Amino acid sequence: DIVMTQTPLSSPVTLGQPASISCRSSQSLVHSDGNTYLSWLQQRPGQPPRLLIYKISNRFSGVPDRFSGSGAGTDFTLKISRVEAEDVGVYYCMQATQFPFTFGGGTKVEIK
Amino acid sequence: EVQLVESGGGLVQPGRSLRLSCAASGFTFDDYAMHWVRQAPGKGLEWVSGISWNSGNMDYADSVKGRFTISRDNARNSLYLQMNSLGPEDTALYYCAKDRSGAVAGDFDYWGQGTLVTVSS
Repeated sequence: DIVMTQTPLSSPVTLGQPASISCRSSQSLVHSDGNTYLSWLQQRPGQPPRLLIYKISNRFSGVPDRFSGSGAGTDFTLKISRVEAEDVGVYYCMQATQFPFTFGGGTKVEIK
Repeated sequence: EVQLVESGGGLVQPGRSLRLSCAASGFTFDDYAMHWVRQAPGKGLEWVSGISWNSGNMDYADSVKGRFTISRDNARNSLYLQMNSLGPEDTALYYCAKDRSGAVAGDFDYWGQGTLVTVSS
């Protein structure tokens, strides 16, 4: 199985400041069809997960443009340009290039 | 508005079975693959199973293979998960999630609120 490793585990951020989360996969996520199936999800406290980014850098409908994804191969990053109070929660990366689909362990974003 | 409503969770003894359901609305159900994802209390997310739009392709996590069966009824806009030989390790909140694609592609764009399964004697 592909192992997804996220860092940091926790990210205390000042409101209005940027935040960055790293996700590394144990093998390349480039699919035989040429796509890279790496997505980012946000889970606010007490809520189900919500899709933010798919295929590395595509923002899902309704997601604010302060969220951006980048990376290639085995190294990926989610950036929040200016953290707002509503961004508090746990963020997960997920790979869907190879079965079984696997998630990172999660990064908790909290306000300092 | 896309809505996914899970049901069927509850307290069950080890070794017993349970069937989860997910009622979908607000989109053309038979155009999209669907998935089950679970989250043990206080833990992260684990993909459990996915099924393509026409039930032609189904996949499972190793941890449930041979015990769980995913199915769908496109006429009823419903997704199911038959869970047999349940163990304490299956205790979790089970989410139904919609794929962005008809194939089992793994972009989960909409999620239900989840149904809690507790396996305990």
